[in-house]
Amino acid sequence: AQKVTQAQTEISVVEKEDVTLDCVYETRDTTYYLFWYKQPPSGELVFLIRRNSFDEQNEISGRYSWNFQKSTSSFNFTITASQVVDSAVYFCALSEANTDKLIFGTGTRLQVFP
Amino acid sequence: EPEVTQTPSHQVTQMGQEVILRCVPISNHLYFYWYRQILGQKVEFLVSFYNNEISEKSEIFDDQFSVERPDGSNFTLKIRSTKLEDSAMYFCASSERGGPATEAFFGQGTRLTVV
Repeated sequence: AQKVTQAQTEISVVEKEDVTLDCVYETRDTTYYLFWYKQPPSGELVFLIRRNSFDEQNEISGRYSWNFQKSTSSFNFTITASQVVDSAVYFCALSEANTDKLIFGTGTRLQVFP
Repeated sequence: EPEVTQTPSHQVTQMGQEVILRCVPISNHLYFYWYRQILGQKVEFLVSFYNNEISEKSEIFDDQFSVERPDGSNFTLKIRSTKLEDSAMYFCASSERGGPATEAFFGQGTRLTVV
């Protein structure tokens, strides 16, 4: 069965702190894709990254970085030097081969205080 | 930048009434989706739609739900007889291609409140 677990319900940090959001997934497929989406207070879902199961290279995009480890079925997201504008709910999601649907985790609410 | 547009942003309806949620996907996209998010919970897949047909649906998407692309631009979700538990944020999404690798672009959502 497919499942995405985001054990951290809510995280609070002070601006400029680094923060890591955890994501653990379950799937029986060998081909799958992992995603992170951001949901700011305005409500829309904003795509951040997609990773396929064959590419374990970590990725960095500005202050954002992602650590994909198949051995632990994890796809963690780190924000370096957090800013107030990073305050949002962050969702990790999984998509398996032969399907269009995204399976979302329950989300982690990140609050960054000035 | 092209975006997915949803209307209305908030709809209040009485239990048992029919509602239609509207979406205008990105113009060159061919695959369309509806998801819902019950307040404070995770986002759940409802249905995907391609070439005027449902390509995949979840167990949530029962006979009370239907989708339609009535013209070249709109994509609608109809709930025939709303229940209190249908209260949620409904997200429309579209993508250029299908399949798991594709980036789906989401609209801002329609908050449906059933009273």
